[in-house]
Amino acid sequence: DTAVSQTPKYLVTQMGNDKSIKCEQNLGHDTMYWYKQDSKKFLKIMFSYNNKELIINETVPNRFSPKSPDKAHLNLHINSLELGDSAVYFCASSLVGSSYNSPLHFGNGTRLTVT
Amino acid sequence: DAKTTQPPSMDCAEGRAANLPCNHSTISGNEYVYWYRQIHSQGPQYIIHGLKNNETNEMASLIITEDRKSSTLILPHATLRDTAVYYCIVRAYMNYGGATNKLIFGTGTLLAVQP
Repeated sequence: DTAVSQTPKYLVTQMGNDKSIKCEQNLGHDTMYWYKQDSKKFLKIMFSYNNKELIINETVPNRFSPKSPDKAHLNLHINSLELGDSAVYFCASSLVGSSYNSPLHFGNGTRLTVT
Repeated sequence: DAKTTQPPSMDCAEGRAANLPCNHSTISGNEYVYWYRQIHSQGPQYIIHGLKNNETNEMASLIITEDRKSSTLILPHATLRDTAVYYCIVRAYMNYGGATNKLIFGTGTLLAVQP
């Protein structure tokens, strides 16, 4: 069974369009994350939700809007796509207790290409 | 910002041990050392983590110096499938909220296992 699954795996779209990426985890984790990996392979955190509450919001354009309908899902909606948004987007999850941070489990990424 | 320093690349012969070093001279007392790897086109994969004692699991061993300022990840019998970028990351083991849950990736070490 896939622990952290993302859809779609590939996404090709034109500038100005709006698109969404979905993420689901079946690990029973309470915290989910979005990371962006650019063309230079640098992985950078974008957002994190804990129990559906936004807890990390890095300097990301407000065209990016995460939504967590429940603890097992974290979706990423991107408005008015730009060429610079082309990247691989990774979803991850972990268990964050009062005294413990579990390792993060990552999905296999969504490769977004904006033309 | 990443708080670790790793060599950009290393080679290892198949079947031999791969020893990947990491410097984390500013590590805090509440921070663990985590190792992840990213095989081409896949999401980062958790390998191992430790606080101050040496750790071993089915994938690797982690040796942390007594002053905790550096560590070494050991893959005992490297295979071609171990070719990947290996990331050494320091992260709080307690949930202090928000920023402490972040996993901040540096540039990692590209390990090339040669046949």
